Amino acid sequence: KNEVEQSPQNLTAQEGEFITINCSYSVGISALHWLQQHPGGGIVSLFMLSSGKKKHGRLIATINIQEKHSSLHITASHPRDSAVYICAVVGGATNKLIFGTGTLLAVQP
Amino acid sequence: GAVVSQHPSWVICKSGTSVKIECRSLDFQATTMFWYRQFPKQSLMLMATSNEGSKATYEQGVEKDKFLINHASLTLSTLTVTSAHPEDSSFYICSAPRTSGGPAQFFGPGTRLTVL
Repeated sequence: KNEVEQSPQNLTAQEGEFITINCSYSVGISALHWLQQHPGGGIVSLFMLSSGKKKHGRLIATINIQEKHSSLHITASHPRDSAVYICAVVGGATNKLIFGTGTLLAVQP
Repeated sequence: GAVVSQHPSWVICKSGTSVKIECRSLDFQATTMFWYRQFPKQSLMLMATSNEGSKATYEQGVEKDKFLINHASLTLSTLTVTSAHPEDSSFYICSAPRTSGGPAQFFGPGTRLTVL
């Protein structure tokens, strides 16, 4: 079993829909990243959070430390949001990143 | 804001040759940098932790003699894939912590290596 699990693996949405991507982890962490990877491969860090909730534009990330679970929400989705979204946790003792397998999101116009 | 660059962005080489990939922190110092590898349709996997002024720490299963890491300065780490083979073809990404020992990371744009 992977230490970081994401669901769903693939997601297709219509433009304007509200999207949720989930991440569960089984290790102790100091922080959790949500990353976006476009087809060209470059990675952008969307959020880093260790508690509560963060919002940036149409993106919202939440984390529940007790339940070891985080969600990434996209409101009013747009085709340009199409990308792979990756959850990565920062190992508590090592600061090393452990990556989830990613969620491939396709937003159709 | 802080930026991490990688060079080259892509490289094609013949089997048996060596390839050097550079990772630079552009406006901050990084005593530690991380190197990752991503095969098609798979997630990133940490290969090694690059430490300025000391030996790199390799993850289990990563051959340190094949993937040479040099962290010669506070802004530059290099990964050299020695005697590259087609199975080394992958996307290589580096990251650097925003602050020393901190969890926030800046990622490089990645280098796509194709070994013929």
